[in-house]
Amino acid sequence: QKEVEQNSGPLSVPEGAIASLNCTYSDRGSQSFFWYRQYSGKSPELIMFIYSNGDKEDGRFTAQLNKASQYVSLLIRDSQPSDSATYLCAVINTGKLIFGQGTTLQVKP
Amino acid sequence: DTGVSQDPRHKITKRGQNVTFRCDPISEHNRLYWYRQTLGQGPEFLTYFQNEAQLEKSRLLSDRFSAERPKGSFSTLEIQRTEQGDSAMYLCASTLGGTRGNTIYFGEGSWLTVV
Repeated sequence: QKEVEQNSGPLSVPEGAIASLNCTYSDRGSQSFFWYRQYSGKSPELIMFIYSNGDKEDGRFTAQLNKASQYVSLLIRDSQPSDSATYLCAVINTGKLIFGQGTTLQVKP
Repeated sequence: DTGVSQDPRHKITKRGQNVTFRCDPISEHNRLYWYRQTLGQGPEFLTYFQNEAQLEKSRLLSDRFSAERPKGSFSTLEIQRTEQGDSAMYLCASTLGGTRGNTIYFGEGSWLTVV
């Protein structure tokens, strides 16, 4: 079992819709969770992080954490074509980030 | 631009040659990471430093790979006797101290093509 698992997609949503990206992790001791966005050929850029159970909102993005179920999700409201990218979920394990393989999101105009 | 600089950005080398990548982290950041990423995969952890001390090295990393951070500032990643399977993007990242509460910033990456 991989430490961090994501559905590779692609996830396709129409412009203006809500995109929902999910991630599960195996280590119950994980404390910090991150979502990065990566455009093709570019390096990952941080969208947001979350530590506590519940929701955390930042603009059009909402991260949700459920430690009991060991999943993290990212909601993107009012999706735009510019949101088309790969979204990487990552958790901290012994001081380092462990990434999932990423979910490709396609937002169709 | 996150403030993490990597050089060179692109490198094409022949199989069997040695290559070295350099990373300059954000100046006050004492923790520095190296990752490798291939097409369709998430970044794979290679190694990380706290100041000049190398705290962890991935067991997946062969002994052809070595990293240094001699003065706790910039870091180098050397790959000896390159193989075609080493072709990837090599990412450097840095953060300040403990990672809880501190953002980890990535550089723009160094692309390696082994021919």
